[in-house]
Amino acid sequence: DIVLTQSPDSLTVSLGERATINCKSSQTVLHSSNNKNYLAWYQQKPGQPPKLLIYWASTRESGVPDRFSGSGSGTDFTLTISSLQAEDVAVYYCQQYYSTPPITFGQGTRLEIK
Amino acid sequence: QVTLKESGPVLVKPTETLTLTCTVSGFSLSYPRMGVSWIRQPPGKALEWLAHIFSNDEKSYSTSLKSRLTITKDTSKSQVVLTMTNMDPVDTATYYCARTQREYYYDSSGYYYAWGQGTLVTVSS
Repeated sequence: DIVLTQSPDSLTVSLGERATINCKSSQTVLHSSNNKNYLAWYQQKPGQPPKLLIYWASTRESGVPDRFSGSGSGTDFTLTISSLQAEDVAVYYCQQYYSTPPITFGQGTRLEIK
Repeated sequence: QVTLKESGPVLVKPTETLTLTCTVSGFSLSYPRMGVSWIRQPPGKALEWLAHIFSNDEKSYSTSLKSRLTITKDTSKSQVVLTMTNMDPVDTATYYCARTQREYYYDSSGYYYAWGQGTLVTVSS
């Protein structure tokens, strides 16, 4: 199974500042056939289901603000929020869909406002 | 508009079998390369993938829970059903169904671009 490890577990950032969340995979999720990284990022607010933010490691889902961006390749990935807004307080998860079953998720990173 | 809605019991007793239904709308369970997964989340904990089923009826299960899970679909009713046997208090969680799609024919699965609101299942005597 592919294990995804996120860091940090929790993060406190001031409004307007940059937030960076990392996701490290135990194996590559880069597919040689299409050169795509099979990694997605989700945002989950209390009492709500996860919401897709990023797929293919760097493609922003329709309607997601452009302050959210994804980067990385192979085994190391980053979700960046360029200028933190109050509504970005949430738990963020990475997910791999390269080698399944099983689909695996990271353990989550809790983002709070300083 | 794509929607998914989970339904099932709120409370089950230990050793009982849980049956959850995901009713979808806005798309057909027969769409090529389309799949529906069940994913759960214990209170305050991370997401855990349980199973998925694709439009060609291909199914996969969590390795650790495989012996307890069965996933089926009824395309005519737009429903995906998950059964989990021998429920235990550690299975207390919010259970979500979510839609995915294989973008390439060689993909095993995909990301989740639509989720149900989830249903909280408590296991207690």
